[in-house]
Amino acid sequence: NAGVTQTPKFQVLKTGQSMTLQCAQDMNHNSMYWYRQDPGMGLRLIYYSASEGTTDKGEVPNGYNVSRLNKREFSLRLESAAPSQTSVYFCASSEVANRGSGQPQHFGDGTRLSIL
Amino acid sequence: QKEVEQDPGPLSVPEGAIVSLNCTYSNSAFQYFMWYRQYSRKGPELLMYTYSSGNKEDGRFTAQVDKSSKYISLFIRDSQPSDSATYLCAMEAQKLVFGQGTRLTINP
Repeated sequence: NAGVTQTPKFQVLKTGQSMTLQCAQDMNHNSMYWYRQDPGMGLRLIYYSASEGTTDKGEVPNGYNVSRLNKREFSLRLESAAPSQTSVYFCASSEVANRGSGQPQHFGDGTRLSIL
Repeated sequence: QKEVEQDPGPLSVPEGAIVSLNCTYSNSAFQYFMWYRQYSRKGPELLMYTYSSGNKEDGRFTAQVDKSSKYISLFIRDSQPSDSATYLCAMEAQKLVFGQGTRLTINP
């Protein structure tokens, strides 16, 4: 029972390089999310996809792009990585979008990204 | 001012102690309240879920919501070393908002 799977688990990039973080869920959830987690800052929403075919900006979208490839997969792309993007990135999913629905989110185990 | 405030700790207690973790919030529209547990190098996992005010108990864990004071708590009874983790509160009105997380260590 995999739940939410993220790849890769670790990555080191040089400034200016590009990278795509992959996320897949097997719970048939409609909504998916990308967060970053930094010490003292908690979880901050980067982008989310309420349903297949839609994406919306979260709290900290600058420097990132996303693609909802199909119902299962939601990828996060860094076009030109910067040291400020060093963080732990989490993907999450929920049955429906958190717009007053009270749906809990289910998280993957994260991608640890360092940008030198 | 952040919508959700949570003391980051760290909090260190002996095994068997009662632990109290707390969050305050400013948005009176929050209706759904959750606690997540996050082990080191893992993603957050849902621990407790409460709708509106009141208490909910699950084994050694009790979640309390006091909407009049805009204050939620998680109590852990008979704490175990396996409870050592970071605990995040989360609450939702039109979006899910997380607290910073409290790092808890239970010492054998």
